[in-house]
Amino acid sequence: EIVLTQSPGTLSLSPGERATLSCRASQSVDSSFLAWYQQKVGQAPRLLIQGASARATGIPDRFSGSGSGTDFTLTITRLEPEDFAVYYCQQYGDSAWTFGQGTKVEIK
Amino acid sequence: EVHLVESGGDLVQPGGSLRLSCSASGFTFVTHWMHWVRQAPGKGLVWVARIDNHENDMIYADSVRGRFTISRDNAKSTVYLQMNSLRVEDTAVYYCARGGLAHGFDAWGQGTVVTVSS
Repeated sequence: EIVLTQSPGTLSLSPGERATLSCRASQSVDSSFLAWYQQKVGQAPRLLIQGASARATGIPDRFSGSGSGTDFTLTITRLEPEDFAVYYCQQYGDSAWTFGQGTKVEIK
Repeated sequence: EVHLVESGGDLVQPGGSLRLSCSASGFTFVTHWMHWVRQAPGKGLVWVARIDNHENDMIYADSVRGRFTISRDNAKSTVYLQMNSLRVEDTAVYYCARGGLAHGFDAWGQGTVVTVSS
């Protein structure tokens, strides 16, 4: 099973600041199968990024994804109040999907 | 509009069984893979199972293989999760989600709560 490790566990930032979230895989991941999700308290997850860098339908362009191999990044250029949430990376490989443990982006 | 609605969650004793349902609308159900994903209280997301378009191929997480069975009825646009030999650690919110390999999980239900406790 491919393990995804996200860092940091918690990111404390102010609205308007830039957020950089990391996702590291235990072995190389096909970038086509790397996605990012946002989850707010009491809500289902929402797809943000697929294929490592392609924004899903309706996702604002302040969200961007990058990376390849074992290292992937989600960047939020200017945090809006509605962006404070938990973010998960996800991959498909070895006939299974796995999620990272999540990064919480909280208001400083 | 794409809509997924789960049902069937309940309180069940360890060793018991439960069947979850997920009713889909707003898209051509038969053309999509479907998944179940769970989230234990205060914890992260865990993928549980996937079924392909025509019930030819089902895959499972190691933690549920042999106990859970995913199935679908394309005529009813519904996906199911039969859960047997339930354990306390199966307690979670169970989400159904639509998703392919390179498209992420682009639609999710609101979740149904399963509690396994004596």
